[in-house]
Amino acid sequence: AQSVTQLDSQVPVFEEAPVELRCNYSSSVSVYLFWYVQYPNQGLQLLLKYLSGSTLVESINGFEAEFNKSQTSFHLRKPSVHISDTAEYFCAVSPLASGGSYIPTFGRGTSLIVHP
Amino acid sequence: KAGVTQTPRYLIKTRGQQVTLSCSPISGHRSVSWYQQTPGQGLQFLFEYFSETQRNKGNFPGRFSGRQFSNSRSEMNVSTLELGDSALYLCASSPGLAGVPDTQYFGPGTRLTVL
Repeated sequence: AQSVTQLDSQVPVFEEAPVELRCNYSSSVSVYLFWYVQYPNQGLQLLLKYLSGSTLVESINGFEAEFNKSQTSFHLRKPSVHISDTAEYFCAVSPLASGGSYIPTFGRGTSLIVHP
Repeated sequence: KAGVTQTPRYLIKTRGQQVTLSCSPISGHRSVSWYQQTPGQGLQFLFEYFSETQRNKGNFPGRFSGRQFSNSRSEMNVSTLELGDSALYLCASSPGLAGVPDTQYFGPGTRLTVL
């Protein structure tokens, strides 16, 4: 079985400051890793994902995450946050499930609160 | 393409009643998954349907059931509602291709309140 731990339930930060949202996972098999974002009163949407290849993946809005296999981590970073980044961020792990599909296990989420 | 739609968006029920939630996936997507989101437990996987068949199931009691129609639309049913069933129920669709870790496309959710 796999599990995902998001170490911080809430991260307050000032606008234009850097931020790191931490995610660690445990799995006995190879995994695929995702970060999803949930803006207030909306569903989740994909921010970025690691499937293979370069361990550093980037999103279109300035976030990046690095897959570290030895530390089983997939931390999310942004060098300068904006007010509009205020949202709930979910890390997810997708190992191969029965039937050939991939069912993600989600962390409990980190609430990023950006103050002006 | 239109996104994933869920109806209704809000629902208030009393204990013991049953409820049916509906989800229309993105056109062309054959996999529909359901999740329960609560502040204490986060997102928990309920079940996944693919081509009208339940392909995967999470650890929820039998009161939670679902089905998928030939047009890939899905419904989720909860019978004998309990107070603890109050949650945001999210539906997600994906192409469902075997051997590929799909991106899940989520709907806005149905907020269920059980009184």
